[in-house]
Amino acid sequence: DTEVTQTPKHLVMGMTNKKSLKCEQHMGHRAMYWYKQKAKKPPELMFVYSYEKLSINESVPSRFSPECPNSSLLNLHLHALQPEDSALYLCASSRAESTGELFFGEGSRLTVL
Amino acid sequence: GIQVEQSPPDLILQEGANSTLRCNFSDSVNNLQWFHQNPWGQLINLFYIPSGTKQNGRLSATTVATERYSLLYISSSQTTDSGVYFCAVSYNQGGKLIFGQGTELSVKP
Repeated sequence: DTEVTQTPKHLVMGMTNKKSLKCEQHMGHRAMYWYKQKAKKPPELMFVYSYEKLSINESVPSRFSPECPNSSLLNLHLHALQPEDSALYLCASSRAESTGELFFGEGSRLTVL
Repeated sequence: GIQVEQSPPDLILQEGANSTLRCNFSDSVNNLQWFHQNPWGQLINLFYIPSGTKQNGRLSATTVATERYSLLYISSSQTTDSGVYFCAVSYNQGGKLIFGQGTELSVKP
């Protein structure tokens, strides 16, 4: 099973809302990632978690708050977002941070009104 | 940081044609992956190929790590091959996968 599951697939939120994106994998991977992709652009790394600890934060604004409750789950909490934050948010996992193939979920398409 | 350049940026093919996509990178890498992003946004793993040659059906890939490039070959293209093909690398034993700008492929019937 090489599946990474993301929910919801689509999300529309206002600038004052609080929402969360969820990601789950059951491959026993110990590294999990959040990427952001704008239209017609490549994915860009936001956060890396390794063994449930935040390893990399690519200077992401604090209105994005990641959380890794356990080795299978990764959340991205959203608060006070701006319209320019509208994008496809992709979760990925790999066996470990420095080794192995990354597997991506289908993504959550976020629209901020 | 490492630079990843893909060529061509756009490619239009007639169904049944063959094509070669190229990925150049500016430093030694410990991971190189090819992905196909379908129109719904899903990134589909094609190859994990930091070095060597692999084949999977009509697709094959070769990475020459010493010369810092990788090639993706698509033979007998089908309309379902349409989408964006990304090359992505990581380096310095890190987990940060850096994507090239992609090649947008359109296969016409």
